[in-house]
Amino acid sequence: DADVTQTPRNRITKTGKRIMLECSQTKGHDRMYWYRQDPGLGLQLIYYSFDVKDINKGEISDGYSVSRQAQAKFSLSLESAIPNQTALYFCATSDSNPGTGELFFGEGSRLTVL
Amino acid sequence: AQSVTQLDSQVPVFEEAPVELRCNYSSSVSVYLFWYVQYPNQGLQLLLKYLSGSTLVESINGFEAEFNKSQTSFHLRKPSVHISDTAEYFCAVSDMGGYQKVTFGTGTKLQVIP
Repeated sequence: DADVTQTPRNRITKTGKRIMLECSQTKGHDRMYWYRQDPGLGLQLIYYSFDVKDINKGEISDGYSVSRQAQAKFSLSLESAIPNQTALYFCATSDSNPGTGELFFGEGSRLTVL
Repeated sequence: AQSVTQLDSQVPVFEEAPVELRCNYSSSVSVYLFWYVQYPNQGLQLLLKYLSGSTLVESINGFEAEFNKSQTSFHLRKPSVHISDTAEYFCAVSDMGGYQKVTFGTGTKLQVIP
């Protein structure tokens, strides 16, 4: 089983719908992240969480919200999806000890907003 | 603030030829350096990293990268590529401060031609 699991892996939805992407990890890491990947733009950080009570906005948080339900679970919500949120979304984890910033990624969730 | 530049968005190379993927960074603090690889329809996985010590680091599948502090570079090289190396490669840096903020380059697609 994967250490970082994302669900769903693929989702097609319509403009205005609420969407939730879920992430769970078995690595025991305290830090979790949501990234968005668009062709030619690399990875952009949406939100990150250093522990259950610590949530921080990343570079492109507008239109997104997150919830850290437990140390192992971090979900990303699109309250009202729009077509330019069509992208590949990645959840990642890291460990504050040793704290090098090395990231461990899930397999990705491909979202299409029509 | 920190930034990562990968000037080459695509690099075509014939099988068994050498390849170099370039990465330059800018940061006001000391950084850790990473190369991640993304195979088609998969998430990102760590290829190699520089944390400290020897400036030349190697991966298990024949890639190497050298940290050059004076040129702020961390180029990735392989003396002889295989078809299976076809993937997108991302350079990333994280600062050595308390938050290990991670910044990614825009990626280089390596296409190995038979």
